[in-house]
Amino acid sequence: QKEVEQNSGPLSVPEGAIASLNCTYSDRGSQSFFWYRQYSGKSPELIMFIYSNGDKEDGRFTAQLNKASQYVSLLIRDSQPSDSATYLCAVRKSVGGGADGLTFGKGTHLIIQP
Amino acid sequence: DTGVSQNPRHKITKRGQNVTFRCDPISEHNRLYWYRQTLGQGPEFLTYFQNEAQLEKSRLLSDRFSAERPKGSFSTLEIQRTEQGDSAMYLCASSSGQAGSQHFGDGTRLSIL
Repeated sequence: QKEVEQNSGPLSVPEGAIASLNCTYSDRGSQSFFWYRQYSGKSPELIMFIYSNGDKEDGRFTAQLNKASQYVSLLIRDSQPSDSATYLCAVRKSVGGGADGLTFGKGTHLIIQP
Repeated sequence: DTGVSQNPRHKITKRGQNVTFRCDPISEHNRLYWYRQTLGQGPEFLTYFQNEAQLEKSRLLSDRFSAERPKGSFSTLEIQRTEQGDSAMYLCASSSGQAGSQHFGDGTRLSIL
């Protein structure tokens, strides 16, 4: 079992709809969770992080965490063509300023259809 | 506020040669990370520094790989006796103690001939 699993896609969503990206992780000791966006040929760009169970909203983005189910998701509302990218889920064992490196999933390729 | 800077952007070398990459983190960040990413995969953690101390190394970091951060500012990653399998994008990230969120540089793409 991989430590962080994501459906590689592609996930195709019409413009203006909600895109839902999912991620599961195997290590119950994981404490902090990150979503990165990566355009082709570019480096990962941090979108959101979440530490506590529940929802966290930032503009059009909502991160959801369920530690009991070991599940993290990212919702993108009012999807735009510029949201087309690969979305990487990453987990870390420590919270806040902790020192551990991130463990990434393979990423989900999202395509927003105009 | 400049971001994480990596040099060179691209490196092409012959198998068996040594290569060195440089990373300059965001100035107020005391933590620095190295990752490697191959096509279709997420970044894989290699090693981490807090100031000048190397605190964590992945089992992926073979004896041919060495990283330094001598003054707690910039860092170098050296690969000795390069192999075909070393071809990848090498990413550097930095973070501060408060938020802990890692911000990535543009990476160095290594191609082994």
